[in-house]
Amino acid sequence: NSKVIQTPRYLVKGQGQKAKMRCIPEKGHPVVFWYQQNKNNEFKFLINFQNQEVLQQIDMTEKRFSAECPSNSPCSLEIQSSEAGDSALYLCASSLAGAPQDTQYFGPGTRLLVL
Amino acid sequence: AQRVTQVQPTGSSQWGEEVTLDCSYETSEYFYRIFWYRQLFSGEMVFLIYQPSFDTQNQRSGRYSVVFQKSFKSISLVISASQPEDSGTYFCALSGNTNTGKLTFGDGTVLTVKP
Repeated sequence: NSKVIQTPRYLVKGQGQKAKMRCIPEKGHPVVFWYQQNKNNEFKFLINFQNQEVLQQIDMTEKRFSAECPSNSPCSLEIQSSEAGDSALYLCASSLAGAPQDTQYFGPGTRLLVL
Repeated sequence: AQRVTQVQPTGSSQWGEEVTLDCSYETSEYFYRIFWYRQLFSGEMVFLIYQPSFDTQNQRSGRYSVVFQKSFKSISLVISASQPEDSGTYFCALSGNTNTGKLTFGDGTVLTVKP
């Protein structure tokens, strides 16, 4: 189904540590999304890019979270100073440009545990 | 604001039975799409099918189809001839026309198909 690659699959960090995860979108997909899914199955949109440009991001992303999608390199999401509440599954998805409602294809996720 | 509700937290069926999973939504968008995904136990989200708001015909893809009732803002996923491999958590997600494509997810329905 999906060819979105996310690494690492699991990440364990202490509070205050940096946590960085990467995503390679499906070939030919210029739009990349990051979502956070908590243990209650609540999804939170974090940020999306079209090529290297940020389309939209939430306030949380602007403070402790940073993300980028450089050309010819994997996209990345980094938490500068991890907190226990950041423990979640981080899902990356990609889609074709065009209609905002284009189908998003997800990677397997990075499961972050902050101790 | 958009909202997606899946009132069935769990569901079950026997091998070969037809399964229906329900979803309702709220949106002020005129054009939107509703997507169905299945999340595997590993965390990976698998795209199943989508319904565009402007299409009155119920979409179908393999063993998956939807029953779209636009006036009631509801959509059901129908899985024909269910198999144990269909077990997982099913998410309904809504994407509007003006929100850069970010998805709003329901809380999911955990489906168990018994052999």
